[in-house]
Amino acid sequence: GENVEQHPSTLSVQEGDSAVIKCTYSDSASNYFPWYKQELGKRPQLIIDIRSNVGEKKDQRIAVTLNKTAKHFSLHITETQPEDSAVYFCAASTHNDYKLSFGAGTTVTVRA
Amino acid sequence: NAGVTQTPKFRVLKTGQSMTLLCAQDMNHEYMYWYRQDPGMGLRLIHYSVGEGTTAKGEVPDGYNVSRLKKQNFLLGLESAAPSQTSVYFCASSYSRLAGAPYEQYFGPGTRLTVT
Repeated sequence: GENVEQHPSTLSVQEGDSAVIKCTYSDSASNYFPWYKQELGKRPQLIIDIRSNVGEKKDQRIAVTLNKTAKHFSLHITETQPEDSAVYFCAASTHNDYKLSFGAGTTVTVRA
Repeated sequence: NAGVTQTPKFRVLKTGQSMTLLCAQDMNHEYMYWYRQDPGMGLRLIHYSVGEGTTAKGEVPDGYNVSRLKKQNFLLGLESAAPSQTSVYFCASSYSRLAGAPYEQYFGPGTRLTVT
């Protein structure tokens, strides 16, 4: 099955700086890559996703890049704010079964 | 529109006891999922369903059973709880035939289960 690895496990950044989280996947058939944000005690919520026919996608301060050849994708958060502090999960899925395989998560702390 | 709801929110069980977690969705989604979340391990898929009356095993199915008798409900059962099943359980759903976009999964608020 799919194996998704996520790095780093923790990330501390100064407010206003950028944060980058990287994930690799093993199944070359994977074609959907979402990122979820989970605040303390809350449910995971989708913040951005990318499909395999696209190399980059941006939504305000958040961007995701995908390199299918190398089988890795990254989340970029610019101009970080205290409300960006949370656990972020990457995931990968194939078209046929819609199951998501999640990375272990990155705890992001934005220092004021 | 409540989205995905879970019952109960918290539960403490003794080893060997049984219980059922209920997940309900009002988005007319075809697919439903049960995950467990443990520190440092992300979300791991226990069982899932691609339609009413169907279920399938995920990554960590042992010790759990599921049923989907109605499209909007997905039940997760623990027949004989063990301390290793202490976790936070999340239900999710996806894919409406009318809305398309089958990929995004919507999560419930979670159930915190402790087995002593």
